Amino acid sequence: DAGVIQSPRHEVTEMGQEVTLRCKPISGHDYLFWYRQTMMRGLELLIYFNNNVPIDDSGMPEDRFSAKMPNASFSTLKIQPSEPRDSAVYFCASSSIGTAHGYTFGSGTRLTVV
Amino acid sequence: SQQGEEDPQALSIQEGENATMNCSYKTSINNLQWYRQNSGRGLVHLILIRSNEREKHSGRLRVTLDTSKKSSSLLITASRAADTASYFCATDYSTLTFGKGTMLLVSP
Repeated sequence: DAGVIQSPRHEVTEMGQEVTLRCKPISGHDYLFWYRQTMMRGLELLIYFNNNVPIDDSGMPEDRFSAKMPNASFSTLKIQPSEPRDSAVYFCASSSIGTAHGYTFGSGTRLTVV
Repeated sequence: SQQGEEDPQALSIQEGENATMNCSYKTSINNLQWYRQNSGRGLVHLILIRSNEREKHSGRLRVTLDTSKKSSSLLITASRAADTASYFCATDYSTLTFGKGTMLLVSP
């Protein structure tokens, strides 16, 4: 398995533009998580899905953020409109319930909003 | 707020020495996990210890868990330059909540 695949690796966009981050989880994993990492706040859980259904989106900062999981092999995190304070590294991770192997993280998308 | 808090925030040692990192947390957990993050990369799962376990080993890693004190420690023995990374503890109750990590620098 190629692991959790995120795209793009880097994204630079202007304030006000729409940004879409993509994630392909590990096949067979039934949980998918979106985290955001900043120096100030560390790793924050934004939203997670179980069997493609959003379970908890209480970590989503505001209505500008939305996430979807249309099928078991694909998820998107969208920011519209983007703001400079959204600049961070966004990680997708996947897992199976009861696993002793923790979460498998993607390499992240470094987002810079100018 | 973060569930886990690592201590120290930064640690600098020489190759061959042991590195110990500590983690304290605040609420009940199902398990506690340790992750490593190399600069510019994603997090890599190192080890998971369940709430009914007290100690676990994996290669050069030793993890302890004291649920009465709500604390855990990660020991890396015989450190190598390649161990240079940030190390995070994460508490699992329904989802993983991460601390801010310990930056470990191992000098040759």
